[in-house]
Amino acid sequence: DAKTTQPPSMDCAEGRAANLPCNHSTISGNEYVYWYRQIHSQGPQYIIHGLKNNETNEMASLIITEDRKSSTLILPHATLRDTAVYYCIVMGGGSNYKLTFGKGTLLTVNP
Amino acid sequence: SAVISQKPSRDICQRGTSLTIQCQVDSQVTMMFWYRQQPGQSLTLIATANQGSEATYESGFVIDKFPISRPNLTFSTLTVSNMSPEDSSIYLCSVEKDFSGSGELFFGEGSRLTVL
Repeated sequence: DAKTTQPPSMDCAEGRAANLPCNHSTISGNEYVYWYRQIHSQGPQYIIHGLKNNETNEMASLIITEDRKSSTLILPHATLRDTAVYYCIVMGGGSNYKLTFGKGTLLTVNP
Repeated sequence: SAVISQKPSRDICQRGTSLTIQCQVDSQVTMMFWYRQQPGQSLTLIATANQGSEATYESGFVIDKFPISRPNLTFSTLTVSNMSPEDSSIYLCSVEKDFSGSGELFFGEGSRLTVL
């Protein structure tokens, strides 16, 4: 699986949009970009995933660049409960969903 | 969605003993995964538990140390054998959401193990 690079930490003001970047320059054509988050003392939670088109659901939006070498997860109106470690993961359909977690980005939402 | 229950939620064990962690899912799932999260670290996949066959272990993990059972499509156990303080971690069970191939996984809350 391709590796990803994320900033170790970010801050965001409550109510503002949180934009979390991820670089995956070695991504293959059949690999998807997945985002999960882990709130302290809880198991990881699926957020969103995409292949090459932008995606949006009730939690977040995922913007993938045209060359697919990077992506941005957008939380449109961050709340204090969004404080968590966010993991960007690249995974191919043939990998049987074996997620390889990196270090992720610790997002701290401040009041 | 899938509701995953893990037992125990936490335990303190003595060196040299073994502990079995249970993972119960409220619906039938094809694939179940066991992860380990050491203190302050990210998650590492231990093995994939397949119903009706031997578990598939990742590099660095062996069946003698982490035997896994998968008797049916809703249940699995992970045993941490002959424990040492280095085994102190959170152990998490994960399942595939459904058979759609979405790659969306659900995780249990984890079992926090402390080995003295």
